[in-house]
Amino acid sequence: KAGVTQTPRYLIKTRGQQVTLSCSPISGHRSVSWYQQTPGQGLQFLFEYFSETQRNKGNFPGRFSGRQFSNSRSEMNVSTLELGDSALYLCASRQGASSGANVLTFGAGSRLTVL
Amino acid sequence: AQSVTQLGSHVSVSEGALVLLRCNYSSSVPPYLFWYVQYPNQGLQLLLKYTSAATLVKGINGFEAEFKKSETSFHLTKPSAHMSDAAEYFCAVSDRRNTPLVFGKGTRLSVIA
Repeated sequence: KAGVTQTPRYLIKTRGQQVTLSCSPISGHRSVSWYQQTPGQGLQFLFEYFSETQRNKGNFPGRFSGRQFSNSRSEMNVSTLELGDSALYLCASRQGASSGANVLTFGAGSRLTVL
Repeated sequence: AQSVTQLGSHVSVSEGALVLLRCNYSSSVPPYLFWYVQYPNQGLQLLLKYTSAATLVKGINGFEAEFKKSETSFHLTKPSAHMSDAAEYFCAVSDRRNTPLVFGKGTRLSVIA
């Protein structure tokens, strides 16, 4: 069974540009979560989607957005990039609708560098 | 809201020595607790989870953790460290509602030969 796939793995952008990251969950998983990982702040929750609906949202500015498609694949977009957006963006999927005990399975991440 | 505190951002042990990584949680409801490991340039991999069954949880690679409600702790241990255990370890808490998994800041484990 294929794991969570994130593309691209690495990318470099300049300030002011926008970026779109993609995540394909494990087959059968309908919930997709996104996290931002930085050395200073650790892992911070961005948002979660279930069946194409955003179910939870973290405390990030409106420049960060996401969506989920009918096949459960998800994308996140960051507009007007800032230097502080440089981070590892992790996508994770889980099987059921309920969080709690359901385990999040993570992808390898997309490392974004903003110059 | 739940939160996690990991004591020690960096822990160094000798190969063969006991590994102890500390995690304390805060939750207003009975929690689910997790330990994840992250190797360089990789995502997070689940080591073990506590979901209110046995308080001593065994995970992969010889790791285990004990849930202590009175101490609100979920420390991770391994009797004998191996070089391959060098990685970053994250403790995380979830409650029984549909709220996001909350992670601690992580503890980087170094293993010295």
